[in-house]
Amino acid sequence: SYDLTQPPSVSVSPGQTARITCSGDNLEDVYVCWYQQKPGQSPILVIYEDSKRPSGIPERFSGSNSGNTATLTISGTQAVDEADYYCQAWDASAAVVFGGGTKLTVL
Amino acid sequence: EIQLVESGGGLVQPGRSLRLSCAASGFIFDDYAMHWVRQTPGKGLEWVSGISWNSGTTAYAASVRGRFTISRDNAKNSLYLQMNSLRAEDTALYYCVKDRVIELDTKHASEIWGQGTLVTVSS
Repeated sequence: SYDLTQPPSVSVSPGQTARITCSGDNLEDVYVCWYQQKPGQSPILVIYEDSKRPSGIPERFSGSNSGNTATLTISGTQAVDEADYYCQAWDASAAVVFGGGTKLTVL
Repeated sequence: EIQLVESGGGLVQPGRSLRLSCAASGFIFDDYAMHWVRQTPGKGLEWVSGISWNSGTTAYAASVRGRFTISRDNAKNSLYLQMNSLRAEDTALYYCVKDRVIELDTKHASEIWGQGTLVTVSS
């Protein structure tokens, strides 16, 4: 099955662009989703099918997937974006795989 | 408003069984695949199992295959997880999750999450 690798932590200043990566073999061959989870809350879907935003998700969230790396980009990062972010893909063996998660700190 | 309400969690001894339930409302239940995802306190997310809209396809993580069984009752808008031969490493918060799509496939996305029910396996 897939191994999805994320950096444990990413830091960004308010108003700057945060980029969180998710790496896996030939990741571009599958769709990648991204979830945001704040302390004590359930995860929220912020990106699906590599780059699509669900209704209600701010436009500053965007996604891409190329080669072995998918990237979640948060433009104009705000303090409210501070959270854990998880990537996820559907494995060829018909299973869902999550990355280990990245803690985004807005300094 | 879409709601997923889990129940059935609790403290159970190793080797025993537990059945989790999820009551769904606010959407056409049998139009979507459903999943269970778990999270150990302070740790990451782990997908446990998924089921297609008509129960025709089910899938399991390797860590629970052969011990857990997912099922659904579309007439009752309910999802279930029968957990047998529980181990300490099954201790986690278990989330009921609504998919975006009807089948278990590459376009899967966990669109809506419940609040979770806590399962603790300990003697």
